[in-house]
Amino acid sequence: QSVLTQPPSVSAAPGQKVTISCAGSNSNFRNNYISWYQQFPGAVPKLLIYDNNNRPSGIPDRFSGSKSATSATLDITGLQNGDEANYYCVTWDDRLRIWLFGGGTQLTVL
Amino acid sequence: EVQLLESGGGLVQPGGSLRLSCAASGFTFSGYAMTWVRQAPGKGLEWVSDISTNEKSTYYSDSVKGRFTISRDNSRDTLYLQMNSLSVEDTALYFCARETKREDWYFEVWGRGTVVTVSS
Repeated sequence: QSVLTQPPSVSAAPGQKVTISCAGSNSNFRNNYISWYQQFPGAVPKLLIYDNNNRPSGIPDRFSGSKSATSATLDITGLQNGDEANYYCVTWDDRLRIWLFGGGTQLTVL
Repeated sequence: EVQLLESGGGLVQPGGSLRLSCAASGFTFSGYAMTWVRQAPGKGLEWVSDISTNEKSTYYSDSVKGRFTISRDNSRDTLYLQMNSLSVEDTALYFCARETKREDWYFEVWGRGTVVTVSS
């Protein structure tokens, strides 16, 4: 069971905005940053957001991230059919000394 | 081009062993911490193990601690994962990934993975 909690699925229509949440705890969120990964079925995970809210080169600004004390969110605006994928949040846990992955959220574009 | 290429996966019986390799190219391997992540069929991503640049620090998930050993050979630009006492629950696609740090660490580059199947 993932210590980072994500909704199993979210959905929205093309052009709309969707928010994917990632809930953690003080031991993993307080002093550490969140990264987000996008994975299409059968494909390699791809870095989407690092350091809470930074995009690697090539990631459109439709994708944005934020973080509070014990949760993080990934926002995707202007949804496109090509955004249908699984999304994972990741952070380091200082107390457990392990990396944590969220359980993943499957995005469906209606 | 920055690349990671995993190998060594295959079919193994429960209780058996395998050693995975991850060959790095296109960057200075010795300058980066590395990690292994796996994905069971139809499931999400699960972190397995992490190693620092000089092997002084290694970390493991509870599910593999005591059975798996991560190591690296910086002279060969290669990361390893020795997997012993394998069980059917270890069946997964195993990815290696390169860690990068700006403010904090994240997994910037991923390999394509190698499949491990544990079955009798």
